Amino acid sequence: GAGVSQSPSNKVTEKGKDVELRCDPISGHTALYWYRQSLGQGLEFLIYFQGNSAPDKSGLPSDRFSAERTGGSVSTLTIQRTQQEDSAVYLCASSFLQMNTEAFFGQGTRLTVV
Amino acid sequence: AQKITQTQPGMFVQEKEAVTLDCTYDTSDQSYGLFWYKQPSSGEMIFLIYQGSYDEQNATEGRYSLNFQKARKSANLVISASQLGDSAMYFCAMRESDYKLSFGAGTTVTVRA
Repeated sequence: GAGVSQSPSNKVTEKGKDVELRCDPISGHTALYWYRQSLGQGLEFLIYFQGNSAPDKSGLPSDRFSAERTGGSVSTLTIQRTQQEDSAVYLCASSFLQMNTEAFFGQGTRLTVV
Repeated sequence: AQKITQTQPGMFVQEKEAVTLDCTYDTSDQSYGLFWYKQPSSGEMIFLIYQGSYDEQNATEGRYSLNFQKARKSANLVISASQLGDSAMYFCAMRESDYKLSFGAGTTVTVRA
C-alpha cells in the first residue's frame, strides 16, 4: 500500500496483559513517529525514530512502554502490563527526514483496556 | 515546557466567514518548520499547510493561509470562506532541527449554517 498502515485497527485487552502495536511506514521514509491521543484531546508525543535509532524517547509515559524499529521500516510499540489509563488511540506517522515535508499518518490503533 | 500552545479549545464560525486559529510556539532553534493539520470526526489526520522558519512570505494553500509572525513566535491559521466540511479539530505542529515533531492541544472548529 502507498500509505502508513497500522495494525490492529482495534484492540481490546484485559488489564495486566501485554500488547504490541505495529506500524508500517511509507517506503523510503526515514522518520517515524508515535503519538497517543485520548478522546477529544491533542496528540501526545511518545517517541520517534530516525532510521532504526530513537533520538528522543522522552515521551514514553513509563517503563511499561517500549518501541523498536527494524530495517528502517516497520516499528512496534509494546505496552507491558496494560492499565486502564493506557486506553487511547495510538497514531503512527512517517516522513522523509527533511524539515519541510509533511508527516503522513496511519489510521491509528484504538486500544481499550478492560 | 509546552512547545506548541493553542489557547482556543473550541470556536464557532458562521458559514462563508473567515476564522483565525491561534498557535504560538517555543523553540531556540533557528531552523524549524510549522505545520497545520485537520482531524475530522473520522479521525484521519490531514495535512493543510507548511511554513518554514526562513520563509519570508506567509504560506497559502487555497482557502488556508498562515499568518507567520516570527518575532512573536506565532503561526496562526486563517480559514477563509468557511464551509460546513471545515468542522473538525485543527492541530498546529512544529518540527525542530532534530526532526522531532510536536503537536499542540488542538482547536475544535464548528461551522454553523
